[in-house]
Amino acid sequence: QLQLQESGPGLVKPSETLSLTCTVSGGSISRSSDFWGWIRQAPGEGLEWIGSVYYSGSTNYNPSLKSRVTISVDTSKNQFSLDLNSVTAADTAVYYCARDLEYYYDSGSYSRYFDSWGQGILVSVSP
Amino acid sequence: DIQMTQSPSSLSASVGDRVTITCRASQTISRYLNWYQRKPGKAPKVLIFLASNLQSGVPSRFSGSGSGTDFTLTISSLQPEDFATYYCQQSDSTPFTFGPGTKVDIK
Repeated sequence: QLQLQESGPGLVKPSETLSLTCTVSGGSISRSSDFWGWIRQAPGEGLEWIGSVYYSGSTNYNPSLKSRVTISVDTSKNQFSLDLNSVTAADTAVYYCARDLEYYYDSGSYSRYFDSWGQGILVSVSP
Repeated sequence: DIQMTQSPSSLSASVGDRVTITCRASQTISRYLNWYQRKPGKAPKVLIFLASNLQSGVPSRFSGSGSGTDFTLTISSLQPEDFATYYCQQSDSTPFTFGPGTKVDIK
């Protein structure tokens, strides 16, 4: 069974870089139908997709965060990572990593959904 | 960005009740709509993908329907373990966006 686990500091100072890693076990991060994504939820707010990465390194980012975000993958460690720079208090949130699965149907059509999630990690931005 | 709305934002129901949650997209998304359940302190869990496909391992009391802009999640007979918050999410185009959630609690 696929398992994902987020790791990283729980406290980051304003203007610094938030860095998180997601370790994938029970499956390969290099499977061709899989993207790997980051989603967050700030206190009292909804879920926000940050971006996703393919094992080749190709990325999609949310335009609202694109200027500050880098998502990368390390296939040798079966991990992918999130860097969010110039953080402010508004970046305080629970951060989830998830498999962003491509589901193929009807001879070539596909859909994407997040089928496996980590437990989430609370990151607070505070001096 | 495609905006997702859900109604109601919360509801109270009893075990055995039929529960319906509605999700609306700000523009047509075909059937690219997924539903998730989240319990406090737990990771979200996918219930339905591509509007009406039941994820493996999810009880058959959960069902999804709709296409275009209007979608529905139905729980045919609410069980104690179903008290949670439910989110819809569109995967028609990036940025993927989620609805604000519907909290289902015990009447």
